[in-house]
Amino acid sequence: GAGVSQSPSNKVTEKGKDVELRCDPISGHTALYWYRQSLGQGLEFLIYFQGNSAPDKSGLPSDRFSAERTGGSVSTLTIQRTQQEDSAVYLCASSSWGGYTFGSGTRLTVV
Amino acid sequence: AQSVTQLGSHVSVSEGALVLLRCNYSSSVPPYLFWYVQYPNQGLQLLLKYTSAATLVKGINGFEAEFKKSETSFHLTKPSAHMSDAAEYFCAVSEGTGTASKLTFGTGTRLQVTL
Repeated sequence: GAGVSQSPSNKVTEKGKDVELRCDPISGHTALYWYRQSLGQGLEFLIYFQGNSAPDKSGLPSDRFSAERTGGSVSTLTIQRTQQEDSAVYLCASSSWGGYTFGSGTRLTVV
Repeated sequence: AQSVTQLGSHVSVSEGALVLLRCNYSSSVPPYLFWYVQYPNQGLQLLLKYTSAATLVKGINGFEAEFKKSETSFHLTKPSAHMSDAAEYFCAVSEGTGTASKLTFGTGTRLQVTL
């Protein structure tokens, strides 16, 4: 597609439930990144994919967080047993040589 | 390891005044530097980037930034602020522009423009 698409744009979930966030990168972009933006904080790196593999998972905050990418395209970030501190905007970006393009994000609210 | 420091979480300027948003970086290799803007409830939009070519980089919406290696700085400027410039601005560094270089962001500066 023309840009990075993320869905849903907003998600409200109850504490303890699992959620899946989806990212559809720009066609042909081999690298894909997930970031988290919490209120009053900057952007925190979570994980990046090169193709379908994830060479750097260092930013995942706990083992409740996981991500996968299939077909070198769509990626899913899964948060299990959500906690209130998981409330944030989750941003996805894809890149080719020379630039990164960000999606509009998924705003996750855990109640 | 790389890091970015943005001085001033909030900056307020009058319409028509100079905008100066400060960014200092730390990188173990020659850095690639970026400024992004985020409008409310939107994603990040690239303003400009430095990738080891000209040290003075011009971006969109009249913004520019100058890479100063001796000062490890990449401050963002605009000669005359407009109301539409009100947004949050993020400085970021990466260790390459290749497809396998993550961005490390500063904590952001919220720009307010007043009449």
